[in-house]
Amino acid sequence: DTGVSQDPRHKITKRGQNVTFRCDPISEHNRLYWYRQTLGQGPEFLTYFQNEAQLEKSRLLSDRFSAERPKGSFSTLEIQRTEQGDSAMYLCASSYGPGGDEQFFGPGTRLTVL
Amino acid sequence: QKEVEQNSGPLSVPEGAIASLNCTYSDRGSQSFFWYRQYSGKSPELIMFIYSNGDKEDGRFTAQLNKASQYVSLLIRDSQPSDSATYLCAVNKDSNYQLIWGAGTKLIIKP
Repeated sequence: DTGVSQDPRHKITKRGQNVTFRCDPISEHNRLYWYRQTLGQGPEFLTYFQNEAQLEKSRLLSDRFSAERPKGSFSTLEIQRTEQGDSAMYLCASSYGPGGDEQFFGPGTRLTVL
Repeated sequence: QKEVEQNSGPLSVPEGAIASLNCTYSDRGSQSFFWYRQYSGKSPELIMFIYSNGDKEDGRFTAQLNKASQYVSLLIRDSQPSDSATYLCAVNKDSNYQLIWGAGTKLIIKP
């Protein structure tokens, strides 16, 4: 299967710990997006990359969050000093430009901060 | 006013009937409109996208776009129990690639 993959699928951590998530996009897709979703809400945009460049970052994203996409392939999202409010599903999506921008999602990483 | 609004539901529809899901958006500059289906505990799955005014059909699904009224809808014909899910509407922001999402409408198809 050549869809978007995410690792890990589940992460339980204690408050104050750092966590890192990985996303592997569909191989020919040059854009990669990170979202956060909580119960009963739509996905909330965090950041996106075109190739290796991080082009946009949500103002809601505190400086505890950082994302990278070295070499324009896989991406990592790191959360430092986790808080209970960070508990959510973290979703990665990818798309291919130019033209339309249909985004395809990975299975997500569910984070629980105790 | 939220940027993308959907009725949260639940919307209950008998099996075999037409389910109609609606979405309004506030940004007149939006150019791309998407419908995603999300089963409980799973990630969103793209089912339809539409860029031009009018209707777009794909199998049992029809997306309808009216930019003048800032309104996009999704019709599901011959509804099946497997269509029971939350349907998310997403709209691009300011003609760039960031999507703004509604909170979703929960659809229940009753056998």
